[in-house]
Amino acid sequence: QSVLTQPPSVSGAPGQRVTISCTGSSSNIGADYDVHWYQQLPGTAPKLLIYGNTNRPSGVPDRFSGSKSGTSASLAITGLQAEDEADYYCQSFDGSLRAVLFGGGTRLTVL
Amino acid sequence: QVQLQESGPGLVKPSETLSLTCTVSDYSLSSAYYWGWIRQPPGKGLEWIGTIDRSGSASHNPSLNSRLTISVDTSKNRFSLKLTSLTAADTAVYFCARRSTAGDAFDMWGQGTLVSVSS
Repeated sequence: QSVLTQPPSVSGAPGQRVTISCTGSSSNIGADYDVHWYQQLPGTAPKLLIYGNTNRPSGVPDRFSGSKSGTSASLAITGLQAEDEADYYCQSFDGSLRAVLFGGGTRLTVL
Repeated sequence: QVQLQESGPGLVKPSETLSLTCTVSDYSLSSAYYWGWIRQPPGKGLEWIGTIDRSGSASHNPSLNSRLTISVDTSKNRFSLKLTSLTAADTAVYFCARRSTAGDAFDMWGQGTLVSVSS
């Protein structure tokens, strides 16, 4: 059981918008630690998608966006494409555990 | 283009020690950034192992702290992991990664190396 909770799976049709939530607590996301998001395609290393809650690294399409409020954060993907089918992970820091945390991951299926 | 490459044994016996090295190309470890290890058991999620800076100051996952050593060798431009008293639960793909200076996101990753713990 991860300290950062993500839904195990989400799905959407091509062109649609999906969101993936990442729920933490007052010792991590709620303590104002940044949330980052990664995309992991099958058999590959994770790729940084969003850093510092809302920022996209160079080369990441603007179809991907991040937000944070209170003890939760969200990743939104608009204009869903087949190539977006992957596992997505959130990451933050926990001040009580003094540890970097990853969410349990969410598998996105493009219908 | 900065590249990270993990190296080490693919198979280790239970109770033995795992030693992995991450060699960094086209960037000097002694310049800046932090460097980390993350692992992923087969079919499961990511787990942070630890992070180290160029001076050798390291932070560890508390759940691994007593078994873990992370070190850096700036002269060889690489950093390493040692994990003792291995069990089957340590079977995973081990990734090395660079931690961004803009916060603590990992912005570059190695391809990962599968380590199986089995007799």
